[in-house]
Order: sequence, then structure tokens, then C-alpha cells
Amino acid sequence: GAGVSQSPRYKVAKRGQDVALRCDPISGHVSLFWYQQALGQGPEFLTYFQNEAQLDKSGLPSDRFFAERPEGSVSTLKIQRTQQEDSAVYLCASSLELYDEQFFGPGTRLTVL
Amino acid sequence: GNSVTQMEGPVTLSEEAFLTINCTYTATGYPSLFWYVQYPGEGLQLLLKATKADDKGSNKGFEATYRKETTSFHLEKGSVQVSDSAVYFCALSDQAGANSKLTFGKGITLSVRP
Repeated sequence: GAGVSQSPRYKVAKRGQDVALRCDPISGHVSLFWYQQALGQGPEFLTYFQNEAQLDKSGLPSDRFFAERPEGSVSTLKIQRTQQEDSAVYLCASSLELYDEQFFGPGTRLTVL
Repeated sequence: GNSVTQMEGPVTLSEEAFLTINCTYTATGYPSLFWYVQYPGEGLQLLLKATKADDKGSNKGFEATYRKETTSFHLEKGSVQVSDSAVYFCALSDQAGANSKLTFGKGITLSVRP
């Protein structure tokens, strides 16, 4: 299919481990967003890219969170020294241009033990 | 800052019942308003949207009207089906902002009984 894909779909990490979550946006989509969804809550904005430029990272909860999109396509969200409170579903969304409809991926469910 | 408040759930209805899910918002600027739906085992999908006051968004029998005077965007459907069972999220984005990041409500689970 031509939708947004994310990998892995599920990730279990021990507290203190580093994790990397991948997002493949729809081909040609300029804008890419990361959201964090805690259990029973709505998604919350983490960061935004326009092509390879990270233009807004105001939602990243701490300096342990880092995102990149080096070639303006695939994006990786990295969490260092994971904590239990990082357990959540991490959603990626892409849109053709800045104010167009956002298409969401299936998410990566991260569980930190 | 921006925020979205949804009515508490879950909601359980019988097939063909009338559905209303309340949503109110707080925003600076001139937001666009959205309803997203998440069916079991699937990702978030846009259900409908409205970009300015008094606009009505509609899709799959669902409707919502952008009410600036009451800062609301309630979702309605005249006759629900079992296949409408899902989690529904109200959201907004500030189209005058630096980017179109979405602010979501908590979501509400709808279960429709045959």
C-alpha cells in the first residue's frame, strides 16, 4: 500500500535502553509530524518536519527525545535512556503540504519495563 | 494555548439510534476543526472537517457544524450501525500558526449493539 508505515509495530525495552522508531511517510509528502499517545488519551504533538528541516520540536518532553529526517523522507524518533513514563503509542503522520490533510501511520507501541 | 474537551465515555448505543458526541474547544486565532476515527486494529483516519465558522463537515452519514459562538463542534449521526464502533477524536489546528500540528481531545469509545 501507499500509506504511512511505521516500524517496529511493537517494542519492549528495559528501562535505560535506547530505542529508535522509524516512520516511512507517503512518497512526496513534504510535512511530517510525530505524536505521542498515552493510554486512554488523545495524541499529543511532539515535533514537525518540513522536508529535512525540523521546524518545531516544542512538544518533545525532554532532551532524551531526538528526531531526524536527514533526506526529507524517512524519519526516525530516538529515545535515549528510556523511562517507564515513555510507554505510549508513537504516531507518525505526513501531509503533502503544510496545511493539507494529515495521514497517520499505525503507530509503534513502546512498553518500557 | 489550544485545547479540546470531549464528553466522557464510553458510549454504548443500539443499532439505528441517534448519536451525539460533544466537543468544545479553546483556541487563539482561527482554528480548523476535525473529527478523526480509529477503527479496531487500524490507524487514525480523518472523518470530517470544517475550516471556518458555520461550516458543516459531513462524511459517511456523520455531520458536525463549526459553532464559533459556543466554541463547539459536536458530532452527530442519525442512525448508527455496528460498523461505526470505534474511537472518535475531536481535534483542531491553527491554520494561522507556524505549522498545522493537531491538538486532540481524549477520545471517546463508541460501541454499537446489533
